[in-house]
Amino acid sequence: KQEVTQIPAALSVPEGENLVLNCSFTDSAIYNLQWFRQDPGKGLTSLLLIQSSQREQTSGRLNASLDKSSGRSTLYIAASQPGDSATYLCAAHITGNQFYFGTGTSLTVIP
Amino acid sequence: NAGVTQTPKFRILKIGQSMTLQCTQDMNHNYMYWYRQDPGMGLKLIYYSVGAGITDKGEVPNGYNVSRSTTEDFPLRLELAAPSQTSVYFCASSHTPGQGLYGYTFGSGTRLTVV
Repeated sequence: KQEVTQIPAALSVPEGENLVLNCSFTDSAIYNLQWFRQDPGKGLTSLLLIQSSQREQTSGRLNASLDKSSGRSTLYIAASQPGDSATYLCAAHITGNQFYFGTGTSLTVIP
Repeated sequence: NAGVTQTPKFRILKIGQSMTLQCTQDMNHNYMYWYRQDPGMGLKLIYYSVGAGITDKGEVPNGYNVSRSTTEDFPLRLELAAPSQTSVYFCASSHTPGQGLYGYTFGSGTRLTVV
């Protein structure tokens, strides 16, 4: 079974700081890895999807990287803003039909 | 383009009651999924479907049933509600895994309380 781990579980940073969120997975045979944002009491919003053949994806201030050999993905957020405060989840899609989710990193950006 | 639509958004059930959580997608996705999310926990897969007429169990299927009569709809049925089923339920859909450029699309969730 795929195990997906996100470290840290919670992170608090001052506004304007650059930060990195980590996602580790145990099975390197993944199809893709997806990063989501979840606001309190809300559903999940897709941020970035990295296919197994790609090494990174960028969207605005967000950059996600994927290293299959080491079983790691990182989400880089540049120039953080209070509006970035949310829980960030990664999900690894391996062979078969399931995505395995991490438990998330709760991010607070302090004005 | 509505994406994935879940109804209802909130529901309170008494122990032993039954209900159906509705999920509809308009993206012609083959794959559909039901997850539950408990506080402080990751999402757990309940059931999934790879196409109309085909369903399979996920990690936590006990107490639930599903059907997939059309590509668009994937309802989740709770037959005898128990307090342990108090959770937030998310429906999601995707293209065939490993193909295309898309991952999951999620609905906005159903918050269910069993008292």
